[in-house]
Amino acid sequence: DGGITQSPKYLFRKEGQNVTLSCEQNLNHDAMYWYRQDPGQGLRLIYYSQIVNDFQKGDIAEGYSVSREKKESFPLTVTSAQKNPTAFYLCASSSKRDTQYFGPGTRLTVL
Amino acid sequence: AQSVTQPDIHITVSEGASLELRCNYSYGATPYLFWYVQSPGQGLQLLLKYFSGDTLVQGIKGFEAEFKRSQSSFNLRKPSVHWSDAAEYFCAVGAGGTYKYIFGTGTRLKVLA
Repeated sequence: DGGITQSPKYLFRKEGQNVTLSCEQNLNHDAMYWYRQDPGQGLRLIYYSQIVNDFQKGDIAEGYSVSREKKESFPLTVTSAQKNPTAFYLCASSSKRDTQYFGPGTRLTVL
Repeated sequence: AQSVTQPDIHITVSEGASLELRCNYSYGATPYLFWYVQSPGQGLQLLLKYFSGDTLVQGIKGFEAEFKRSQSSFNLRKPSVHWSDAAEYFCAVGAGGTYKYIFGTGTRLKVLA
C-alpha cells in the first residue's frame, strides 16, 4: 500500500536531548513537509523540501533541523535549542500543484 | 499575503442535522482548495479538493463543498451528520505554482446523540 509512515508514534525527550522523528513515503512525491500542531493553533510549517538535498525553512524552523538525502525520507531532528517541543508532529508529502497527504503523526513529550 | 480563515472554532450539531463549516481564503489567483478531517491523535485525511471546473465538489463520507470566487469562500456541507463525523476539520489553500499550503486553525465538530 502506498502511503506515509511516521515513527515512533510516541516519543519522550529529556531536557537537553536531541531527538529525531522519522518520516518515510512511498508515493513517489517530490515534496515533503513537517508541521507542528498545538491545540487551537492549527498546523504550523516547520520545514519543507521540494527535492532531494534541498529544503526550506517554514514559519517556525528555530530549534529544528532536517535532511533530505533520499526522495523517500525526510527526518526531523528536534534539538535542545527548541525550548517548548511538546507537540504533535505531522509529516506530509505532495506532488507539485496537487494534494498533500499526511502521515499518522508523532506525539513528542518533554519530561 | 495568503491566508485561510475558519471563523468557527467549535460547532455543535445534533445527529441527523445538516452541517455547514465556513472557510474564507485570501489569495491573488485561483487557489487550490482542500478540506481535511482529523480524529484525535491521528493524521489528516483528505475529504475533498477543488482545483478547477465545477464549483460544487463531492467528497468522501457524504461531504460536499462549494467554491464561491466572489465571496472567497469554500464552505463544507453535509446534509445529515452522523455521530462518527465528530472530529476537527481543516480548510487549506495551495499556492498554485509552489509547493506551499496554508491551513486554517480548524473547526472542532461535536455531534449530539
